Amino acid sequence: NAGVMQNPRHLVRRRGQEARLRCSPMKGHSHVYWYRQLPEEGLKFMVYLQKENIIDESGMPKERFSAEFPKEGPSILRIQQVVRGDSAAYFCASSPPLTETQYFGPGTRLTVL
Amino acid sequence: AQKVTQAQTEISVVEKEDVTLDCVYETRDTTYYLFWYKQPPSGELVFLIRRNSFDEQNEISGRYSWNFQKSTSSFNFTITASQVVDSAVYFCALSEAGSGGYQKVTFGIGTKLQVIP
Repeated sequence: NAGVMQNPRHLVRRRGQEARLRCSPMKGHSHVYWYRQLPEEGLKFMVYLQKENIIDESGMPKERFSAEFPKEGPSILRIQQVVRGDSAAYFCASSPPLTETQYFGPGTRLTVL
Repeated sequence: AQKVTQAQTEISVVEKEDVTLDCVYETRDTTYYLFWYKQPPSGELVFLIRRNSFDEQNEISGRYSWNFQKSTSSFNFTITASQVVDSAVYFCALSEAGSGGYQKVTFGIGTKLQVIP
């Protein structure tokens, strides 16, 4: 049973470009969470999604950031017009319904030049 | 609002020493879950343990043990006979059990453990 998969593992973008981060949850998991880890900090919750629905996006910046989890395919975290402050590790986690443990992917390290 | 405090930002120990990582949490809920995750230098997050708020039994898994004390809102993690492979950042985390199985996890800032050979 493959774990949570994220790609790319490393992403370099210049200021103003778009970054698209992908997350494939574990088989049987319908809940996806995105977290951001800034350098030397803990993980901060960004958004929680179920298939085709955003349930809680209270941790996501209001502008430039969006997330989706379509019926088919991976969850996508999209950052438009990236700035240097977006440089961070972005972790995706998944869980089956009605459970308390989230399983994390390896993360995508975004560097904005 | 929930909060997790890991007061030790960095700890260094010599191999084979025991080490305890502290975690103090705040929450208004009576039902919640506590976690420890390990982040080795490679960067991934490894799940170590989950504890629910109604289970105060301490747990031991090999060289790892966890001490959950509701009276002091603490969930400390002890590594016995530390090894170089234990070198990592360790995160304590708290989630409140939301309706429909939804949870929002709050992480501490992490404790960086360095085990010196």
